[in-house]
Amino acid sequence: NAGVTQTPKFQVLKTGQSMTLQCAQDMNHNSMYWYRQDPGMGLRLIYYSASEGTTDKGEVPNGYNVSRLNKREFSLRLESAAPSQTSVYFCASSEGTLAGGFLTQYFGPGTRLTVL
Amino acid sequence: TQLLEQSPQFLSIQEGENLTVYCNSSSVFSSLQWYRQEPGEGPVLLVTVVTGGEVKKLKRLTFQFGDARKDSSLHITAAQTGDTGLYLCARYRSNDYKLSFGAGTTVTVRA
Repeated sequence: NAGVTQTPKFQVLKTGQSMTLQCAQDMNHNSMYWYRQDPGMGLRLIYYSASEGTTDKGEVPNGYNVSRLNKREFSLRLESAAPSQTSVYFCASSEGTLAGGFLTQYFGPGTRLTVL
Repeated sequence: TQLLEQSPQFLSIQEGENLTVYCNSSSVFSSLQWYRQEPGEGPVLLVTVVTGGEVKKLKRLTFQFGDARKDSSLHITAAQTGDTGLYLCARYRSNDYKLSFGAGTTVTVRA
């Protein structure tokens, strides 16, 4: 039981390049999330998926796209990377949905992305 | 603008000492969570508090939710080096299902 896994762990991109961050969970959770963490800013929600086939924008969605491929996998794509997207990206999952109230989120180990 | 203000930003203490970190907001929380994040890892949930005035204990950690539900504190008794990490609070707003995190307090416990 691996919980939430993320690939890659580290990535360096040049401005304008594209890439996809992968996330998978093996806990049969309905909801999945993408956050970015920047010094002094805390965790900020980028996108959220309450179930397979549905996605919703979070606090900072600009410059990102997501795909909920199936119940297990939720990917985050940067179409044209910018230095402002240098950050640590975390994927998380939870059994319930945000509309159901406060819930326990399980986080992956993160992807450290640098955009030059 | 941070919805949640955490203080202090950094805290360094000797093993065996006590410490308290705070989480404050200008608006009322529906409920609040505390997480600990170790270097190179994702956050791990420590506790959820939902009732004003609530106190929860988890071994040497004591969590308090303010009576007015605008503030919370985390107190660690006799800190150990294993308590080193970033402590994050998160609030949930039931009116719009929004989840917001504070910037965190980085705690370093020296041996």
